[in-house]
Amino acid sequence: GNSVTQMEGPVTLSEEAFLTINCTYTATGYPSLFWYVQYPGEGLQLLLKATKADDKGSNKGFEATYRKETTSFHLEKGSVQVSDSAVYFCALSPQAGNNRKLIWGLGTSLAVNP
Amino acid sequence: GAVVSQHPSRVICKSGTSVKIECRSLDFQATTMFWYRQFPKQSLMLMATSNEGSKATYEQGVEKDKFLINHASLTLSTLTVTSAHPEDSSFYICSARVGASGGARYNEQFFGPGTRLTVL
Repeated sequence: GNSVTQMEGPVTLSEEAFLTINCTYTATGYPSLFWYVQYPGEGLQLLLKATKADDKGSNKGFEATYRKETTSFHLEKGSVQVSDSAVYFCALSPQAGNNRKLIWGLGTSLAVNP
Repeated sequence: GAVVSQHPSRVICKSGTSVKIECRSLDFQATTMFWYRQFPKQSLMLMATSNEGSKATYEQGVEKDKFLINHASLTLSTLTVTSAHPEDSSFYICSARVGASGGARYNEQFFGPGTRLTVL
């Protein structure tokens, strides 16, 4: 079946530190991969996505590369800011199926201290 | 563009009453909407998939008679929590999947801000 495994949090970093949040997946075929972010008190927002192997999604300084050989989609940012404090969710959308429901990781809470 | 609204954002009700939550796609047509529950510090749990004009598909373990879903139009889906009890207190989130008319955003999902339900 399809599943997403995400590193457990919480992650606490100082401002300008390097961030990596690991995400690996299990899926048949060629799923699309996503990172969503949930800021405190707000709804989920799509942060970035990749739809095929070797694609790199990027947004707001965050990057993630779709690695089929390692079934991974790790989220990285070179220099985090306090405003990046949020919960980050890795998700996949199976290739097949009419409704394309998302399969979610458990979320990783990030706290960035000034 | 691609905004999803939810109403109400917060509701407190007495045990035994029913509560209706609306999810609207404001500027796109959504043939499919999804309803999730999110418990504190946990991930999203998919409750059901709602298709316009047809019955919702519920995930295993979700009571369809307790969580009534109606998807009456391409821009509106409602979730009614019937005879609510304290254990139904949670954060309910909807998402809407962009239909074929959405061009480059076809199949993308956009999330509502969520509804905090507290049952006393």
